[in-house]
Amino acid sequence: QKEVEQNSGPLSVPEGAIASLNCTYSDRGSQSFFWYRQYSGKSPELIMSIYSNGDKEDGRFTAQLNKASQYVSLLIRDSQPSDSATYLCAVNWQTGANNLFFGTGTRLTVIP
Amino acid sequence: GAVVSQHPSRVICKSGTSVKIECRSLDFQATTMFWYRQFPKKSLMLMATSNEGSKATYEQGVEKDKFLINHASLTLSTLTVTSAHPEDSSFYICSAPATGFFQETQYFGPGTRLLVL
Repeated sequence: QKEVEQNSGPLSVPEGAIASLNCTYSDRGSQSFFWYRQYSGKSPELIMSIYSNGDKEDGRFTAQLNKASQYVSLLIRDSQPSDSATYLCAVNWQTGANNLFFGTGTRLTVIP
Repeated sequence: GAVVSQHPSRVICKSGTSVKIECRSLDFQATTMFWYRQFPKKSLMLMATSNEGSKATYEQGVEKDKFLINHASLTLSTLTVTSAHPEDSSFYICSAPATGFFQETQYFGPGTRLLVL
């Protein structure tokens, strides 16, 4: 059974610190990986996508992918209170397939 | 980025009634759209894949006769919850893929919160 696992949290970090969010997935053949941010009562918003091993940086966000370890992470530098949300890891199981399997999400709280 | 809208944003209905939710891609065409359901403090669960011009594909455990999907055009998919019951109360979210690089990215609508009394 395909699974995407995240620590549900809550994860609390002080403002200005680095928040580290982790995700593991079960299907070794997975091709694409996404991080979504979801504020309470709202729909998910795409933050980052990553397809190749290594790091991908976009502003304060860095996604890291290690396919050998079946692990993907999201680092948020200089965390702000507005970053407080639930972060969902999503995995696309097949190349070209148009559906995502989501983890349960990690709730992040940035303390002012 | 691509914009997906949903209507209504919130609906309250009596048990036994049917509710229709619309999902529109506003600035791109989507031959495929996805319908998700999210219960409180739970992750998104894919319900079905909506295909323009053909039948929807339902995930295991989702009743196709209860959740009717119609993909009427390249920009519109509708989900009808028939004979709704309190256990159908949930947050329903649609998404559509916007083709970019070799892997497609999905864009989500704002969601529809359904409360069945």
